[in-house]
Amino acid sequence: IAGITQAPTSQILAAGRRMTLRCTQDMRHNAMYWYRQDLGLGLRLIHYSNTAGTTGKGEVPDGYSVSRANTDDFPLTLASAVPSQTSVYFCASSLTGTSGSNEQFFGPGTRLTVL
Amino acid sequence: GQNIDQPTEMTATEGAIVQINCTYQTSGFNGLFWYQQHAGEAPTFLSYNVLDGLEEKGRFSSFLSRSKGYSYLLLKELQMKDSASYLCAVMDSNYQLIWGAGTKLIIKP
Repeated sequence: IAGITQAPTSQILAAGRRMTLRCTQDMRHNAMYWYRQDLGLGLRLIHYSNTAGTTGKGEVPDGYSVSRANTDDFPLTLASAVPSQTSVYFCASSLTGTSGSNEQFFGPGTRLTVL
Repeated sequence: GQNIDQPTEMTATEGAIVQINCTYQTSGFNGLFWYQQHAGEAPTFLSYNVLDGLEEKGRFSSFLSRSKGYSYLLLKELQMKDSASYLCAVMDSNYQLIWGAGTKLIIKP
């Protein structure tokens, strides 16, 4: 693989169900991010990780959790999905999370619908 | 609070020039990014400015004025494939990106 992959591509989920969105990168980037993108709004940061073993909360962390057991993987879990979590979710990575010039590279996104 | 403003939609003609403006108010500044996003796809990096002035990269240029909290993306010799949303994002004092809602650019023949 090259770059960032996300799975699944899309998912329809019943409210109350648990769901894990997967993200894997092969660029050996230290920093990884989860965003949600909703119509009319900018990308909003959910959680981030500046290095394996550490995570931090972004702008909209409630209802989501993450883990960073290794450099490559950064899964996002919805413990009990609600309709307001219907969105397109993007995973991104950058070489570091503490330098201004590092561009973020994005995965193809997961379109999630919670009914 | 933190705020990034850019126009919702713009229309331009193939072969012409278009300027997309972005104004920002953020807690700290560690650079401004422009990304392109085609419908249904992921954002892709276009440019990064951290110092005042113009950065040119082929048909695309980006300008920054930190004192005015202002940037623009200039697209020259527009092509149909430039139809996309253009996202302005500022890196704040915590090195987190604050994103504008994006400008949808429609190119007409």
